[in-house]
Amino acid sequence: QKEVEQNSGPLSVPEGAIASLNCTYSDRGSQSFFWYRQYSGKSPELIMSIYSNGDKEDGRFTAQLNKASQYVSLLIRDSQPSDSATYLCAVNRYTGFQKLVFGTGTRLLVSP
Amino acid sequence: SQTIHQWPATLVQPVGSPLSLECTVEGTSNPNLYWYRQAAGRGLQLLFYSVGIGQISSEVPQNLSASRPQDRQFILSSKKLLLSDSGFYLCACARTSGGHETQYFGPGTRLLVL
Repeated sequence: QKEVEQNSGPLSVPEGAIASLNCTYSDRGSQSFFWYRQYSGKSPELIMSIYSNGDKEDGRFTAQLNKASQYVSLLIRDSQPSDSATYLCAVNRYTGFQKLVFGTGTRLLVSP
Repeated sequence: SQTIHQWPATLVQPVGSPLSLECTVEGTSNPNLYWYRQAAGRGLQLLFYSVGIGQISSEVPQNLSASRPQDRQFILSSKKLLLSDSGFYLCACARTSGGHETQYFGPGTRLLVL
């Protein structure tokens, strides 16, 4: 079992729709969870961080965390073609230092 | 706010040649620094991390090495490149707020070994 699992996609949604990206993790001791957006050929850019169970909203983005079920999700409302990118889920694991373990990413395609 | 610089942006090197990639950080002091590699179609792999000058820890044994000669400088090196060293090399800098550490990435160096 991978430490952090994501569906590779592509996830295709029409412009204006809600995109839902999911991630599961295996380490129950994880305390910090992150979503990064990576455009093709570019470096990852932090979108959201979440540390507590529940929802966290920032503009069109909402991160959801359920530690009991070991999943974290990212909702993108009113999806735009500019949201088309690969979204990386990252989970921390403390091994003497704060190590981030990344999923392989979900590719999102938003069609006009 | 912190700024992360990486150079070169792209590099094409023959097998067996040496490598030196540089990462410098502005706007922060004594940061935790990380080197990652992203191979084509694969996830981010942590290579090295550093909590201070001269302090390097390796995550994956390989023909790469890292050094931190200055507080805000992190260097990735190799004496002899392999074909499998091709990839996108990313330097990350950590910022701690409210007891939580967040990593931010530099622009990356794309390396092609031929």
